[in-house]
Amino acid sequence: EAGVTQFPSHSVIEKGQTVTLRCDPISGHDNLYWYRRVMGKEIKFLLHFVKESKQDESGMPNNRFLAERTGGTYSTLKVQPAELEDSGVYFCASSQASGWARGYTFGSGTRLTVV
Amino acid sequence: QKEVEQDPGPLSVPEGAIVSLNCTYSNSAFQYFMWYRQYSRKGPELLMYTYSSGNKEDGRFTAQVDKSSKYISLFIRDSQPSDSATYLCAMTGGSGGSNYKLTFGKGTLLTVNP
Repeated sequence: EAGVTQFPSHSVIEKGQTVTLRCDPISGHDNLYWYRRVMGKEIKFLLHFVKESKQDESGMPNNRFLAERTGGTYSTLKVQPAELEDSGVYFCASSQASGWARGYTFGSGTRLTVV
Repeated sequence: QKEVEQDPGPLSVPEGAIVSLNCTYSNSAFQYFMWYRQYSRKGPELLMYTYSSGNKEDGRFTAQVDKSSKYISLFIRDSQPSDSATYLCAMTGGSGGSNYKLTFGKGTLLTVNP
C-alpha cells in the first residue's frame, strides 16, 4: 500500500509569491488532514476534510491559506501571498475512520521556506 | 499555559540504556494519548497509543498515562541506535467526532550512541 505522498518535498519562495502544496492520501482514505510545524513550535492542526467537504478548518491561520480537495482524492493547500511567518513544515495525513486518531498516516511533509 | 508540555531535549544515551520520555498536559478532556516517532525528514509515525489511564507495553516500549497527574510517559528498554529520532507525544479528546484533532508536544530529540 502506497503511503501518503506530498510534494514538493521542499519549496523556497519569496515573500508575496504564491505556493501550492499537494497531498495524495492513501487510496480509499476519506479523511484527510493538514498540519503544520513552524520552527520551534509544536505541530498544529490546520484542517480536516471528509471526502471533498471541509469538516473543520479552525486551525487555518488566516485567509491567505486555501485548501481544496476536489473529487475527494488529492488535496492542495495554497498560500497566497506567502509571508515570512508561513515558513515551516506542512504535513498531510489521511485515515479511514475520522473518530479515532490512531488511524492517521502522515506524509513526509513539505518544507516551505519563505525568504 | 500550553496545552501540552514536552522537554525538547536533546537527550543522548548509550546503547542499552533505559530511556524515559515525558509530557504533561493541562486539558482534562484529553482521553487518547499517543506517542509518535519521527525520523529526520520524515513524517510522524504512530508508535503507541493509550486510552485513558494505565500502562501499555509493546516489545521494548511501554506507555504510561496518569490522568490524575496529567502526565504521560514513554519508556524504551534496551535502547538501540535505530531508536534515535524525535519522539512526539500527542493527545486528543473523546467527545463526539472531535478526536481527529491531535494536540502535539514539541517533541524530544533522542540520540542513542553505539
